[in-house]
Amino acid sequence: DIQMTQSPSSLSASVGDRVTITCRASQGINNYLAWYQQKPGSVPKLLIYDASTLQSGVPSRFSGSGSGTDFTLTISSLQPEDVATYYCQKYKSAPWTFGHGTEVEIK
Amino acid sequence: EVQLVQSGAEVKKPGESLTISCQGSGYDFTFYWIGWVRQMPEKGLEWMGIIFPHDSRTKYSPSFQGQVTISVDRSINTAYLQWTNLKASDTAIYYCARPRYSTWEGAFNIWGQGTMVTVSS
Repeated sequence: DIQMTQSPSSLSASVGDRVTITCRASQGINNYLAWYQQKPGSVPKLLIYDASTLQSGVPSRFSGSGSGTDFTLTISSLQPEDVATYYCQKYKSAPWTFGHGTEVEIK
Repeated sequence: EVQLVQSGAEVKKPGESLTISCQGSGYDFTFYWIGWVRQMPEKGLEWMGIIFPHDSRTKYSPSFQGQVTISVDRSINTAYLQWTNLKASDTAIYYCARPRYSTWEGAFNIWGQGTMVTVSS
């Protein structure tokens, strides 16, 4: 099975900072990658699918890039409401594995 | 409104059986994959498996194959997750979720509210 490795596992940044989270697949997955945001006590929310397509209603400060094995989620200007854990997930071929998550905090 | 509504919290003893449910509404339930995701306390998301209601095709994660059963009742737009021999390690929140597009094996944009399952003697 394809493994999804996220890094870092946690980060602390200031409001307004540019934040980058990476996700690496152990084998190529084309662009079949999604990013989710989960705030404490809440249901996960889809941010990006097909590696770079922004889900409707998601702020434009979120963006995704990559293809094949290496992917990136970028928050262009971190906001207090972005405090959450972020997960990548591969799909299309089972199992649709999640990464282990990146916890984002405000410094 | 498109939504997935899950059954309520459960408290069970080890060795007991359990079925939790996820009812879809506001869309054509038959042609959207429905997936199940586990989140153990203070842990990350784990993909368990998916089912296509139209023909009940099911795909499981190797980690959950043989441990749970995913099924569906198309007549009441409901998917199920079933255990026959619960363990304490099954204590978790279980989410059902649906992809964005019909027949698409893709990212989940609609999520149920989650069902908390507690297994304790």
